[in-house]
Amino acid sequence: DAGVIQSPRHEVTEMGQEVTLRCKPISGHDYLFWYRQTMMRGLELLIYFNNNVPIDDSGMPEDRFSAKMPNASFSTLKIQPSEPRDSAVYFCASSPSGQGLGEAFFGQGTRLTVV
Amino acid sequence: SQQGEEDPQALSIQEGENATMNCSYKTSINNLQWYRQNSGRGLVHLILIRSNEREKHSGRLRVTLDTSKKSSSLLITASRAADTASYFCATANNAGNMLTFGGGTRLMVKP
Repeated sequence: DAGVIQSPRHEVTEMGQEVTLRCKPISGHDYLFWYRQTMMRGLELLIYFNNNVPIDDSGMPEDRFSAKMPNASFSTLKIQPSEPRDSAVYFCASSPSGQGLGEAFFGQGTRLTVV
Repeated sequence: SQQGEEDPQALSIQEGENATMNCSYKTSINNLQWYRQNSGRGLVHLILIRSNEREKHSGRLRVTLDTSKKSSSLLITASRAADTASYFCATANNAGNMLTFGGGTRLMVKP
């Protein structure tokens, strides 16, 4: 398996534009997580899915952020409209279920810069 | 909000020395995990310790867990320059379905 695949790796956009980040989890993993990493706030859990269903989105900063998982092999995180303070590295991770949550496998991240 | 908090925030040691990082958390957990992140890369899982375990080893890594104190430690023995990275603890909640991370410890191992 190629691991968790995120695209794009880098995104530079202007304030006000819509940004869509994409993630392909590892096949067979039941859980998918979206995290945001900044120097100031560290690694924040934004939302996670179990079997394609959003379970907890309490970490989503505001209504400008939305996430979907239309099927087991694809998820998107959308920011509309984007703002400079959204600049961060966004990670997607997937994990198999089992006896409690096990190891999470992370993608390489998308570095977002909003100017 | 972050569940785990690492201590120290930064650590600088010489190659060959041992490195110890600590993690404290606030609520009951199913398990605790340690991850490593090299600059500009994603996180890589190192080791998982369940709430009913007290100590675990993997190669040069030793992890302890004290649920009464809600704390864990990661020991890297005989450190190498290649161990230079940020290390994060992560806790899985009691339902075992949510993983939240601490702020991390930046480790620098000087050759």
